[in-house]
Amino acid sequence: DAMVIQNPRYQVTQFGKPVTLSCSQTLNHNVMYWYQQKSSQAPKLLFHYYDKDFNNEADTPDNFQSRRPNTSFCFLDIRSPGLGDAAMYLCATRTGQGNIQYFGAGTRLSVL
Amino acid sequence: LAKTTQPISMDSYEGQEVNITCSHNNIATNDYITWYQQFPSQGPRFIIQGYKTKVTNEVASLFIPADRKSSTLSLPRVSLSDTAVYYCLVGGYGGSQGNLIFGKGTKLSVKP
Repeated sequence: DAMVIQNPRYQVTQFGKPVTLSCSQTLNHNVMYWYQQKSSQAPKLLFHYYDKDFNNEADTPDNFQSRRPNTSFCFLDIRSPGLGDAAMYLCATRTGQGNIQYFGAGTRLSVL
Repeated sequence: LAKTTQPISMDSYEGQEVNITCSHNNIATNDYITWYQQFPSQGPRFIIQGYKTKVTNEVASLFIPADRKSSTLSLPRVSLSDTAVYYCLVGGYGGSQGNLIFGKGTKLSVKP
């Protein structure tokens, strides 16, 4: 059974049109991450939540925002997608006391 | 967080044992060594974690020398389905120490 679920698996949006990617978890983990992964590159951390505390990476563009309305759900909002934002977006979770991350299958975003 | 260095790519044949070495010269006393596997178009998957000496599970073995400045992931008798990118991560447990960073990874290609 999937424990970290990302929807949709594939998302197509238009240049400049806001898009939201979603992630849910059944693990009740404290920490939720969003990563961006471009072709043949390592996952790049965008931001994470430790419970309700939001932690933004210094080099994450302002175009990327996140919301975590409750423990189970976390959203990635891209306010004005550019062609360079086309990538796989990965959600991951972990317990507050641990360091092993559990990943979803990812959402592949295309920007036309 | 300790920086890691891995070979960019490795080739192997089915049935062989594959050893992927990761260097982490600046590993801290509280750091653990964690390996993930990522197939194309999927999220990374936890394989194995260790602190020192040897750890073995149903998937792999992890060898860590006494100085802990490197580690070796050993995959016994690889098959075509082991073709993936393997990431070595180093970091502590809990809180902000548990936010492990992905390096470039090693792309393993298994040939028939």
